[in-house]
Amino acid sequence: SQTIHQWPATLVQPVGSPLSLECTVEGTSNPNLYWYRQAAGRGLQLLFYSVGIGQISSEVPQNLSASRPQDRQFILSSKKLLLSDSGFYLCAWTQLAGAGTKAQYFGPGTRLTVL
Amino acid sequence: GDSVTQMEGPVTLSEEAFLTINCTYTATGYPSLFWYVQYPGEGLQLLLKATKADDKGSNKGFEATYRKETTSFHLEKGSVQVSDSAVYFCALSGDDKIIFGKGTRLHILP
Repeated sequence: SQTIHQWPATLVQPVGSPLSLECTVEGTSNPNLYWYRQAAGRGLQLLFYSVGIGQISSEVPQNLSASRPQDRQFILSSKKLLLSDSGFYLCAWTQLAGAGTKAQYFGPGTRLTVL
Repeated sequence: GDSVTQMEGPVTLSEEAFLTINCTYTATGYPSLFWYVQYPGEGLQLLLKATKADDKGSNKGFEATYRKETTSFHLEKGSVQVSDSAVYFCALSGDDKIIFGKGTRLHILP
């Protein structure tokens, strides 16, 4: 069966510090991968998605970047964090769920607090 | 572009009450439709899905029917429990992405 991991689970960082969040998927190959951010009490904001190694699409211009160095690894980074980067970061992957449907499956999330 | 609109929350109900959370969508073509649930501090979990018109998705006592004529996918449950307290997201499948609604927070009182 497929599983998705994210780490760290929680992170507290000072403003201006760098960031690296990691997401890995097991049990599947060539998944589509996604990074979302969820501010407190708000909906999901799609940040990046990737359909293959080295292929990154950015949905929202910001001081974050993403990379996909391996088929099942997706990394979210920043060189200098802002207060507004605080939130709950979710990684997800897509599985074909019959007749071409594409349900997404989410990791447990990383809660980032920037102070 | 494609979009999903779901009812504003929070929704507060007593245990064993009937639940409806409204969801309507705008899409070109024939998307698949989903409901996700998010419990506090956790990621989203797929609750149910429907892939074509008149399909009914169901799971854990929740149901939703894909209504093409009204472009709706309302979530229902006949008797809610305190453990159903969570945020519920309606979503549709797009090209390489899923479009999510803003979420509806549900509180169930014992």
